[in-house]
Amino acid sequence: QKEVEQDPGPLSVPEGAIVSLNCTYSNSAFQYFMWYRQYSRKGPELLMYTYSSGNKEDGRFTAQVDKSSKYISLFIRDSQPSDSATYLCAALLGGGGNKLTFGTGTQLKVEL
Amino acid sequence: GAVVSQHPSWVICKSGTSVKIECRSLDFQATTMFWYRQFPKQSLMLMATSNEGSKATYEQGVEKDKFLINHASLTLSTLTVTSAHPEDSSFYICSARDRGRGSRDTQYFGPGTRLTVL
Repeated sequence: QKEVEQDPGPLSVPEGAIVSLNCTYSNSAFQYFMWYRQYSRKGPELLMYTYSSGNKEDGRFTAQVDKSSKYISLFIRDSQPSDSATYLCAALLGGGGNKLTFGTGTQLKVEL
Repeated sequence: GAVVSQHPSWVICKSGTSVKIECRSLDFQATTMFWYRQFPKQSLMLMATSNEGSKATYEQGVEKDKFLINHASLTLSTLTVTSAHPEDSSFYICSARDRGRGSRDTQYFGPGTRLTVL
């Protein structure tokens, strides 16, 4: 079992839809959670960074962490074609650990 | 802020040659840099972690003599693929961890280098 599981998709939605992307993880020692967006043939770009459980909002993006169920979510409101990319969730151990553990990424396509 | 650059962005080389990829943090100091490899439609696979001024720590299954990593300064790390073979063709991505400003656990990624070995 992978430490961070993510549905690879692809996920196709119409423009303006609310997108929900999800990951689950197995290691309860993970304390920090990130979402990265990666366009084709580009490096990942940090979108959201959260510590422990709770919600964090930034513009059209909301990250949600539920440590009790080991569930990570990213919501995208009013989705745009420019949001079409692969979204990677990642988790990091507490205590200043170095190693990010990534999900496999979900490919999202927002259609006109 | 938090910009990481990589050079070159793509490279084609002949089998048996060595290729060096540079990773630079442009506007922050990075005590730790990471090198990843990514195959098409797959996630990032961590190859090694490098700390400035010390030897890199390689992940299991990654040949340290083949993938030489040098982290000479707080803003530069290099990955050299020695005696490259076609199976080394991949997308190599570096990331850097910001040393200060309360973002110590955040990694910023470079744009990647696409290596094709003929």
